[in-house]
Amino acid sequence: QTVVTQEPSLSVSPGGTVTLTCALNSGSVSTANFPSWYQQTPGQTPRILIYDANRRSFGVPDRFSGSILGNKAALTITGAQADDECDYYCVLCLSSAIWVIGGGTKLTVL
Amino acid sequence: QVQLVQSGAEVKNPGASVKVSCKASGYTFTGHYLHWVRQAPGQGLEWMGWIHPKKGDTRHAQKFQGRVSLTRDTSVDTAYMELRMLTSDDTAIYYCARQVGISSLWDYWGRGTLVTVSS
Repeated sequence: QTVVTQEPSLSVSPGGTVTLTCALNSGSVSTANFPSWYQQTPGQTPRILIYDANRRSFGVPDRFSGSILGNKAALTITGAQADDECDYYCVLCLSSAIWVIGGGTKLTVL
Repeated sequence: QVQLVQSGAEVKNPGASVKVSCKASGYTFTGHYLHWVRQAPGQGLEWMGWIHPKKGDTRHAQKFQGRVSLTRDTSVDTAYMELRMLTSDDTAIYYCARQVGISSLWDYWGRGTLVTVSS
């Protein structure tokens, strides 16, 4: 069974930089997995931040960036703000057109 | 403007089935994949499957093999997710989301449908 692993929780200071990662138990993450990142605040619908590994969705601040770091997908937040405190999910597409979502990272800004 | 309007909350007994609808408007329904994602209370997101409304092609997560049906009615621009043999573990908010092209951009989401399974 394919599992996508994210850090369960991370913290960052206001104005600081933090990198969230997304790993596959079956191997390396690459652009062929079309990594995407979603932000979700409590009670709200997920919001797309990054798609196709490094493309920022419309209206997303440029402090959010996506990349492949080694064998993982990564979401970097530069200049963290208080309202960045929420849950972040990584989504990957597998070769069989099956998609899988990571367990999420709860980000604390303090 | 693009909208995905989902059906209302449901309460079901264990062993029953539920069918959630997702009505699309503001775009060409047959031109985009639609995904179904669920979220149990206090838990993370879980991908269930997708349908491409043009031909009705589908894929779903192995976990739901034999229990889920993804269908669509192009005459009313609506996709459906039916889940059978419900258990309390299926209590969740069920979302539909539109994919843009061959990409991982799921740009519009329905507001979600809460399905509660309880005796």
